[in-house]
Amino acid sequence: AQRVTQPEKLLSVFKGAPVELKCNYSYSGSPELFWYVQYSRQRLQLLLRHISRESIKGFTADLNKGETSFHLKKPFAQEEDSAMYYCALRGSNFGNEKLTFGTGTRLTIIP
Amino acid sequence: EPEVTQTPSHQVTQMGQEVILRCVPISNHLYFYWYRQILGQKVEFLVSFYNNEISEKSEIFDDQFSVERPDGSNFTLKIRSTKLEDSAMYFCASLRVSSTEAFFGQGTRLTVV
Repeated sequence: AQRVTQPEKLLSVFKGAPVELKCNYSYSGSPELFWYVQYSRQRLQLLLRHISRESIKGFTADLNKGETSFHLKKPFAQEEDSAMYYCALRGSNFGNEKLTFGTGTRLTIIP
Repeated sequence: EPEVTQTPSHQVTQMGQEVILRCVPISNHLYFYWYRQILGQKVEFLVSFYNNEISEKSEIFDDQFSVERPDGSNFTLKIRSTKLEDSAMYFCASLRVSSTEAFFGQGTRLTVV
């Protein structure tokens, strides 16, 4: 069974401080990992995915297969980063396989 | 930019009533999904749909639930006889072939009273 764990429900960080949102997963094969973000009153939207190895809005995430983690990081938090963040996993066995989400972390940036 | 559209944004229904939640996926997408999120809990997969049939469904998706693509644009989720525990935010999502980015609708908040 596949599972995604986000240990922190709430995280408050001062503006300008580094941010790390933790995500661990369990999956028997080689999964695809994603971070989705939901700003206040907006829809879920993709922030980044591990296969792209990109930085979006200053955020990065590295897949660590040894630790089965996909933590989301940003060196300097900005007020507009306040949102709900969901880590998600997609198995790679089928082209249209579902997403399995973590419980989410609500990030609040303190001005 | 194309978006997944869901209607209504909020639906209040009495226990035992049937509800239909509607979604218009992005036009060139071929994979469709329903997820739900009970207040304070995680987003959970309900069902995936491709080529006019269900690809996969979760344990939540029992006989009370059904999905349909009645025409070329709409994708609906029907709950035949709603229960209090069906109260949740329901999200529709769609995916293009050979892509891994799922696009989500803004959600329908279903309240069963």
